[in-house]
Amino acid sequence: DVKVTQSSRYLVKRTGEKVFLECVQDMDHENMFWYRQDPGLGLRLIYFSYDVKMKEKGDIPEGYSVSREKKERFSLILESASTNQTSMYLCASKGLAGENEQFFGPGTRLTVL
Amino acid sequence: QKEVEQNSGPLSVPEGAIASLNCTYSDRGSQSFFWYRQYSGKSPELIMFIYSNGDKEDGRFTAQLNKASQYVSLLIRDSQPSDSATYLCAFGNTGGAQKLVFGQGTRLTINP
Repeated sequence: DVKVTQSSRYLVKRTGEKVFLECVQDMDHENMFWYRQDPGLGLRLIYFSYDVKMKEKGDIPEGYSVSREKKERFSLILESASTNQTSMYLCASKGLAGENEQFFGPGTRLTVL
Repeated sequence: QKEVEQNSGPLSVPEGAIASLNCTYSDRGSQSFFWYRQYSGKSPELIMFIYSNGDKEDGRFTAQLNKASQYVSLLIRDSQPSDSATYLCAFGNTGGAQKLVFGQGTRLTINP
């Protein structure tokens, strides 16, 4: 069965802290994505990766960085968390171009105080 | 102009009726179109994708694509209370990673 897991379901951090969100997929997918979801704004792409150690900026990369050292793991890093980064963060993975579906993890609801 | 616009919700439909969800997109180079369903508190799941102009049917769901009008829709026949969810349309660019651009979502409620 397809599985994308995220390290935490809920997370509360303080302004200025460094935050790591982890995503692991067990489908041997090449492509992995980080989105944030906010009411009325839909899903917005932060970063994506199409191979190990490869990454590209999405639509809203400011304030975030990513790391992909292994094929199955894609990490999102908030270098210095701010209150406007309070959001639902969703990780997704996808196989090669001929495959259609992005599979989503359960999400991490991050609150920055 | 937003890249993807969905009809504003929330949308309320009686059980057994047809629910119609609409989406327009601005990128004429878009090649692939997707409908995701997201239950409250859950992550999105793919229900339909369509690449070619016309209709594509899967059970009670029909996706309709009109590339000339830059318009994609999702029809849900014989709506059930279990169809109550937020529906997200998305379009993909070409290329290996096939990055998706999502609409803001339409919340659908099916009333028994």
